Amino acid sequence: DTGVSQDPRHKITKRGQNVTFRCDPISEHNRLYWYRQTLGQGPEFLTYFQNEAQLEKSRLLSDRFSAERPKGSFSTLEIQRTEQGDSAMYLCAQDTGELFFGEGSRLTVL
Amino acid sequence: GQQLNQSPQSMFIQEGEDVSMNCTSSSIFNTWLWYKQDPGEGPVLLIALYKAGELTSNGRLTAQFGITRKDSFLNISASIPSDVGIYFCAGPRDTGNQFYFGTGTSLTVIP
Repeated sequence: DTGVSQDPRHKITKRGQNVTFRCDPISEHNRLYWYRQTLGQGPEFLTYFQNEAQLEKSRLLSDRFSAERPKGSFSTLEIQRTEQGDSAMYLCAQDTGELFFGEGSRLTVL
Repeated sequence: GQQLNQSPQSMFIQEGEDVSMNCTSSSIFNTWLWYKQDPGEGPVLLIALYKAGELTSNGRLTAQFGITRKDSFLNISASIPSDVGIYFCAGPRDTGNQFYFGTGTSLTVIP
């Protein structure tokens, strides 16, 4: 148990719906990352925060995706107007010098 | 896209055998991390390496940070059924903060 919690663990939604994932890290003051992982692939970087500031975003993060980290504590990742291609595991990780992952949120878009 | 190449892509071994896998990059990395991932779970950190040439062990696992800083190796000795899973290497490039992940090595241990 890394102490990084993600919710929900599983989400099934219909195409076009919005979904939101939450990540509760161990500590408020370290870097927090979001990754996406599809079947048979390694995790792919989406974005990261230093405290509440979003410092880097991947080209994978289309304008339908938005991430926030208010007050530098928990973080949310929202996907608007979901598409079937958004089906993946969404992983949150905290960088305390080493990268520790949560259990992931698996999204299935029907 | 992926920055790191892992080999082999998959391995099928008998319980008790030793396992070796590696990870290479075209870019210099200043840290190497090795993870194990079970189905439906997030990756779990196994070993972290911070210095070129460093050799670090964690139980039956041993990993090395290549001298060129462009590769790393993970060895598992005396494999057991619970070693089954997908192993990923990862690290930040020398010039950035983003962690890149390899394509993974799938390990199957036959009892």
